[in-house]
Amino acid sequence: GQQVMQIPQYQHVQEGEDFTTYCNSSTTLSNIQWYKQRPGGHPVFLIQLVKSGEVKKQKRLTFQFGEAKKNSSLHITATQTTDVGTYFCAGRTDSWGKLQFGAGTQVVVTP
Amino acid sequence: DTEVTQTPKHLVMGMTNKKSLKCEQHMGHRAMYWYKQKAKKPPELMFVYSYEKLSINESVPSRFSPECPNSSLLNLHLHALQPEDSALYLCASSQAAGLGRGSFGQGTRLTVV
Repeated sequence: GQQVMQIPQYQHVQEGEDFTTYCNSSTTLSNIQWYKQRPGGHPVFLIQLVKSGEVKKQKRLTFQFGEAKKNSSLHITATQTTDVGTYFCAGRTDSWGKLQFGAGTQVVVTP
Repeated sequence: DTEVTQTPKHLVMGMTNKKSLKCEQHMGHRAMYWYKQKAKKPPELMFVYSYEKLSINESVPSRFSPECPNSSLLNLHLHALQPEDSALYLCASSQAAGLGRGSFGQGTRLTVV
């Protein structure tokens, strides 16, 4: 069955540094979504990528969808303490729309 | 603020109790979902309702019983739960099954004692 692998599972970042989290799927995805979950909170939608090779930016966040639509990345520049949380990718195949979540990357930011 | 409202926010129940979780959205979304999330794990899909009909049941034990009374409401009826069922239960909705961003509610933190 479809699996979405996400690495790293844990990222400790100094404030001001950059970091990247990666997702890889065993099958081609129709789209991939990214969510952020703050400690004690619920997942909040960040973005959806649909097209092969797509790149989208939201302020300090850059999202990419691979050419083969099997991988994606989230790059955060100049990390701030407000970036603390767990970032999940979630991929969807063409079949029946089930979102397959990656394991998540838990981000801890040190001032 | 979330556009999907879940009640209650916290629930403690005994193994012989019957309780219900409620979820409401007024975005006109036609797909609604129940997810279960354990600590430090991703959300796990339990059920999908599409146009008020159950379209996906991820082999969830029968002690969890979903219900979709109308296009805005989704319930999860709980009966004879086990301590290992303690988790954060998240409701979500999207424009349609397989389409659009998922909007999650704040969740119900359930503890089974």
